[in-house]
Amino acid sequence: GPKVLQIPSHQIIDMGQMVTLNCDPVSNHLYFYWYKQILGQQMEFLVNFYNGKVMEKSKLFKDQFSVERPDGSYFTLKIQPTALEDSAVYFCASSSGLGGRREQYFGPGTRLTVL
Amino acid sequence: GDSVTQTEGLVTLTEGLPVMLNCTYQSTYSPFLFWYVQHLNEAPKLLLKSFTDNKRPEHQGFHATLHKSSSSFHLQKSSAQLSDSALYYCALRNNYAQGLTFGLGTRVSVFP
Repeated sequence: GPKVLQIPSHQIIDMGQMVTLNCDPVSNHLYFYWYKQILGQQMEFLVNFYNGKVMEKSKLFKDQFSVERPDGSYFTLKIQPTALEDSAVYFCASSSGLGGRREQYFGPGTRLTVL
Repeated sequence: GDSVTQTEGLVTLTEGLPVMLNCTYQSTYSPFLFWYVQHLNEAPKLLLKSFTDNKRPEHQGFHATLHKSSSSFHLQKSSAQLSDSALYYCALRNNYAQGLTFGLGTRVSVFP
């Protein structure tokens, strides 16, 4: 079936540094999402992106976060600067359209550890 | 806001026995309900989805019925297999929000 890839699978960085998480969405999908899952907690929606713009973001999407998809390449989540509480697994997802019934396809996640 | 509750954190059972995972939800709007399954080191994958009250979608032997009267979407299978060992997430989405709202997940371990 359709696959979403995430690079890297693990990332360890020092607090205050910048990190970029990369997502290769399903090829014909136009809507992209990031979710955050802290260990032992539920996966939570961060942001939705379409046509070069953030469509919706949650209160978890801090000012230090940014997303982009330059020229149809990877969909990225950048955190600058990182904080200890950013340690989590970040899941990327994509869908072919909007609407409640549209399936979102997820990647396997990137485990980010901030020291 | 929306919320999803999965009461069991871990379910262990013997192969061949039935399994039921509980999911209840709260939503301001009439939501769409989903079950995702995540095997070890893999991506969460859609298992079932339902938008219609009292309809019972099925996939890979699993089924779930959306009951709007009780705000529930429990997942069931009549006979568990070893390959069903995984993490199961219940999630909802409504037409006024882009993101899914997830439960904490239930880990299922099936033993021979």
